[in-house]
Amino acid sequence: GAVVSQHPSRVICKSGTSVKIECRSLDFQATTMFWYRQFPKKSLMLMATSNEGSKATYEQGVEKDKFLINHASLTLSTLTVTSAHPEDSSFYICSASTLGGGSDEQFFGPGTRLTVL
Amino acid sequence: GQNIDQPTEMTATEGAIVQINCTYQTSGFNGLFWYQQHAGEAPTFLSYNVLDGLEEKGRFSSFLSRSKGYSYLLLKELQMKDSASYLCAVVDSNYQLIWGAGTKLIIKP
Repeated sequence: GAVVSQHPSRVICKSGTSVKIECRSLDFQATTMFWYRQFPKKSLMLMATSNEGSKATYEQGVEKDKFLINHASLTLSTLTVTSAHPEDSSFYICSASTLGGGSDEQFFGPGTRLTVL
Repeated sequence: GQNIDQPTEMTATEGAIVQINCTYQTSGFNGLFWYQQHAGEAPTFLSYNVLDGLEEKGRFSSFLSRSKGYSYLLLKELQMKDSASYLCAVVDSNYQLIWGAGTKLIIKP
C-alpha cells in the first residue's frame, strides 16, 4: 500500500532556530503533498498544498516566510519552520496524493511533534 | 508491524444507521481519532477516544475497546452530506499517528 513517512518524528529546538521536516512517499509518486497542523483534539488545519516543481499554495493566515515548503521531487516535500517560537510547538502532519488536488485519495504520514523551548 | 484496518467502502441509505469498524494492532495506544474528509477538503475532527466505552455526539457516536483493539463510528439518521471518507487513526506509544486507509461512505436516497 501507499506509505508516507516523516522525519524527524520528534524534535525539540530552541526559540529562534529553524527546523526542517521531511515528508516522503515511499512507494509511489506524489504529485501533490499537503501540510497540516494538528491542535489537541481538533481538526487538522491545512497549512499549504504543494505540487511538485511549483510554489506551494498557502491557506489564509499561514505565513509563507515562516513556513517554507519545498516540493522538489515527486517523493519528497519539506516544511521548514523558520525562527521557531514556542507558539509554533505543535504536531505537523503531511499527506500525499497521486492525483491532482481535489481527490480524496490522500495518504497520511505519522506526524512530527515539534517542541520549541 | 503496526496496522489499522477499516473497510474500503460502504453504502447506506439516507435516514438509516451505519457502523464503520476499525481494528488496530499498534505498539502501544494513546488514543484513537475519527476524522471525516470530503473530497478536496481537509479532514474534520469527529471524535477522540482514549478510554473504553461509547461517546455520543449528536448523530455520531464512537466506541472503543482497548482489549480488543477495536473501535467503531456509528452514524445515525444518515444524510446525503454524510457521504465522505472516514479515517481512523491511532496514537501509538511514541505519540505517532498510525492512519487507516479510510472508509468511503456512499449514501443513497
